[in-house]
Amino acid sequence: KTQVEQSPQSLVVRQGENCVLQCNYSVTPDNHLRWFKQDTGKGLVSLTVLVDQKDKTSNGRYSATLDKDAKHSTLHITATLLDDTATYICVVGDRGSALGRLHFGAGTQLIVIP
Amino acid sequence: EAAVTQSPRSKVAVTGGKVTLSCHQTNNHDYMYWYRQDTGHGLRLIHYSYVADSTEKGDIPDGYKASRPSQENFSLILELASLSQTAVYFCASSGQGNTEVFFGKGTRLTVV
Repeated sequence: KTQVEQSPQSLVVRQGENCVLQCNYSVTPDNHLRWFKQDTGKGLVSLTVLVDQKDKTSNGRYSATLDKDAKHSTLHITATLLDDTATYICVVGDRGSALGRLHFGAGTQLIVIP
Repeated sequence: EAAVTQSPRSKVAVTGGKVTLSCHQTNNHDYMYWYRQDTGHGLRLIHYSYVADSTEKGDIPDGYKASRPSQENFSLILELASLSQTAVYFCASSGQGNTEVFFGKGTRLTVV
């Protein structure tokens, strides 16, 4: 059973618009949550990691929230650029050690058009 | 700069043949992982290792072997490649605790 669900599956926005990506999960325990960006044909690059029960992070035009009570996270991208076109993957870690399992969502494909 | 290097970047293999995917990291990380990615699905863990000369099974180990001859190197071996093993394979490394996880750029394997 899929433990990390991302929505929408795909999203098209115009350059300069803002967008919000959603991640719902059922992983227990939920030690931390990461958002990755995967360019087509490339590896995964970490954007941010959220750890606290109710957490917020900001990394340039990317900001994210985590609510462990709701088991829900959002990734906000402000003023999108063409280079933001990629797949964004939500990953939940069930332990704080590297031996903990990482549970991957299937990703949201974001396409930014001029 | 942290780096995980995979080779080859792409490969076409014949059904029943042997395939070895290599991964090299320069991050001084103890932990290394092999994942596969199929279209429309999240990454799934095949094998991992937390120390040289030792490997552990992940969630989908059947049909795969792994080898960790040194801290820096981690290989994934398909002794008898099958059509169902066509996928993109990612190697990753990580350190203790909540440290960063670094991924390689992936190897696209096509079994024909």
